[in-house]
Amino acid sequence: GESVGLHLPTLSVQEGDNSIINCAYSNSASDYFIWYKQESGKGPQFIIDIRSNMDKRQGQRVTVLLNKTVKHLSLQIAATQPGDSAVYFCAENLSGNQFYFGTGTSLTVIP
Amino acid sequence: DTEVTQTPKHLVMGMTNKKSLKCEQHMGHRAMYWYKQKAKKPPELMFVYSYEKLSINESVPSRFSPECPNSSLLNLHLHALQPEDSALYLCASSQTPRRGINTIYFGEGSWLTVV
Repeated sequence: GESVGLHLPTLSVQEGDNSIINCAYSNSASDYFIWYKQESGKGPQFIIDIRSNMDKRQGQRVTVLLNKTVKHLSLQIAATQPGDSAVYFCAENLSGNQFYFGTGTSLTVIP
Repeated sequence: DTEVTQTPKHLVMGMTNKKSLKCEQHMGHRAMYWYKQKAKKPPELMFVYSYEKLSINESVPSRFSPECPNSSLLNLHLHALQPEDSALYLCASSQTPRRGINTIYFGEGSWLTVV
């Protein structure tokens, strides 16, 4: 399943399928990006980051892709599990220590 | 588990009350942040402290007053709040305020209700 971020803030996928969550960032000067997972009632949890000199970075079951030309980030989650159900935010580092968050996408995994 | 600790987890206060939110980290981080998050919305940056000095204030109303007593502690003093200030207040920290290597780690937040 795939979201288009601002236009589709919810995403439902079957357990075991791959998920793709998209994010459009606002400033071409941003050079560092982070994906966060936020479960209900909790603070945002770091998932993976990427710097602007890279276009892809992989973690455990997650991959982040960065397209600077169109100012677009995506988070791919392989073999999605019920524990992946949460809201996912991308954050861009505009300068020094200013981070701004995207709208967020709510992911629901259907067992 | 997060290494950024926030207290209290829940706070209910009247519009004439004075209260404080507290945040503590022991990771040796030198930048600390306050964010505000309304339901179903992304966190919004309020304040940033770098090396215990206020470096960013995102035009936050003066009824919110931040304080950084030392490199491990961050407070948010609240006075004469409005019901629309009810939200989740998130504290975060990062190793350095320098650009590009600046992963920020969040606490679990303090849920504030203004009545």
